[in-house]
Amino acid sequence: DAGVTQSPTHLIKTRGQHVTLRCSPISGHKSVSWYQQVLGQGPQFIFQYYEKEERGRGNFPDRFSARQFPNYSSELNVNALLLGDSALYLCASSRTRNTEAFFGQGTRLTVV
Amino acid sequence: DAKTTQPNSMESNEEEPVHLPCNHSTISGTDYIHWYRQLPSQGPEYVIHGLTSNVNNRMASLAIAEDRKSSTLILHRATLRDAAVYYCILRSPPYTGANSKLTFGKGITLSVRP
Repeated sequence: DAGVTQSPTHLIKTRGQHVTLRCSPISGHKSVSWYQQVLGQGPQFIFQYYEKEERGRGNFPDRFSARQFPNYSSELNVNALLLGDSALYLCASSRTRNTEAFFGQGTRLTVV
Repeated sequence: DAKTTQPNSMESNEEEPVHLPCNHSTISGTDYIHWYRQLPSQGPEYVIHGLTSNVNNRMASLAIAEDRKSSTLILHRATLRDAAVYYCILRSPPYTGANSKLTFGKGITLSVRP
C-alpha cells in the first residue's frame, strides 16, 4: 500500500508569494491533518479535515487555509509568505479522527 | 492541554534495552498516552499508545504507572535504526475541535552507539 504522499518535496518561494502544498492520504483514510515543523521543534498542528469538513484549527494566521477534496486528498494554501513560514510541512492521514496518524515525508518550504 | 515532560536526550548501546521516560502529572482520566518517533529527514511514525494497562506491539512496549502520572516506552533491543526523536503525547476524545490535534513537544533524542 502506498503511504501518505506529499508534493512537492522541496520548494523555494519569495516573500509575499503564495504557495499550495498537496497531500494524498492512504487509501481508505478519511482524515487529513497538516502540521508545520520548524528546525529543532516538534510539529505544530495547523488543520484537521475529516469527511471534507474542517474539524480543528491550530493557532495560525488566516493566511493559512486548507481544503479536502471528495477523494480525501488535501491542499494547504499559504498566502503572503513570510520568512518565518520556512519550515517542513507535514501531512498526516488516519482512517478516522481517533485512530493512529500516518505521516508523509513532508514538503520543505524555504521562503527567501 | 495536559502537558508531558521528557528528558532532552538519552544514549544507549546497540542491542541493549532502552527505557524512555515521560512524565504527565496533570493527565486526565480520558487521556490516552501516545508515542510517536521521528527518524532523521522523515515524518513522525506511530509507535504505540495505551490508556491504563501496559501495551506491547512489534515495535515496543509501553509501561504505564499505576497512578498514570508517568509512562515508559521500552525498546527491547535497540538498533542503529532506532536513533530518532521520540515524542510522548496525550490525547483524549472526542478528537474534534481542540482535541483533534497531536500536540508535539520537543521530544527526547535517542542516540544509539554501535
